[in-house]
Amino acid sequence: QVQLQESGPGLVKPSGTLSLTCAVSGDSISGSNWWTWVRQPPGKGLEWIGAIYHSGSTNYDPSLKSRVTISVDKSENQFSLKMNSVTAADTAVYYCAREVLRGLDVWGQGTTVTVSS
Amino acid sequence: DIQMTQSPSTLSASVGDRVTITCRASQSIAIWLAWYQQKPGTAPKLLIYKASTLESGVPSRFSGSGFGTEFTLTISSLQPDDFASYYCQQSNGYRTFGQGTKVEVK
Repeated sequence: QVQLQESGPGLVKPSGTLSLTCAVSGDSISGSNWWTWVRQPPGKGLEWIGAIYHSGSTNYDPSLKSRVTISVDKSENQFSLKMNSVTAADTAVYYCAREVLRGLDVWGQGTTVTVSS
Repeated sequence: DIQMTQSPSTLSASVGDRVTITCRASQSIAIWLAWYQQKPGTAPKLLIYKASTLESGVPSRFSGSGFGTEFTLTISSLQPDDFASYYCQQSNGYRTFGQGTKVEVK
């Protein structure tokens, strides 16, 4: 059974850097899937942030590309999200997910990140 | 960027109703569309991918259709467990989601 688990600070100061990790179990991050980050601001819809392949290839939403870095750690079977220069607008539930056949079939439970001083 | 427009934003329905949600893409995405169901406080669940392929374990009352720029998600007979929010997502390039449709009790 494939499971994804997000971890990281729940509170980040404005202008700081948001850092999250997604631990993957039950599947190899070196397989033929893309590994994705999605977020959901309170009371709003889903926003795709970006994705990474085990080779290190990445795709990012153009509106976030200048602030976001997604990386992969094959030795730990996990991938990470860093977002800099955060503001209150980045307050959201952040999900990691696996993409297969261009659908996100396995999701983490989500982690809430609040940007506040 | 490819924009996805879902309609309606909210849909009021009763158990047993046939429900249809529409998703329109700002340019052709061929078959590269997925549908998700999300209940409050939980992660989204994949229902359909490649426009019409039912994810394993998803009840057959859910179906998807469409090609190019117009797609539909249909629930043939709405069940109590189906009251939730639904999102489409295109995967032809940078992924984008529709704004969501909330299916509520009439």
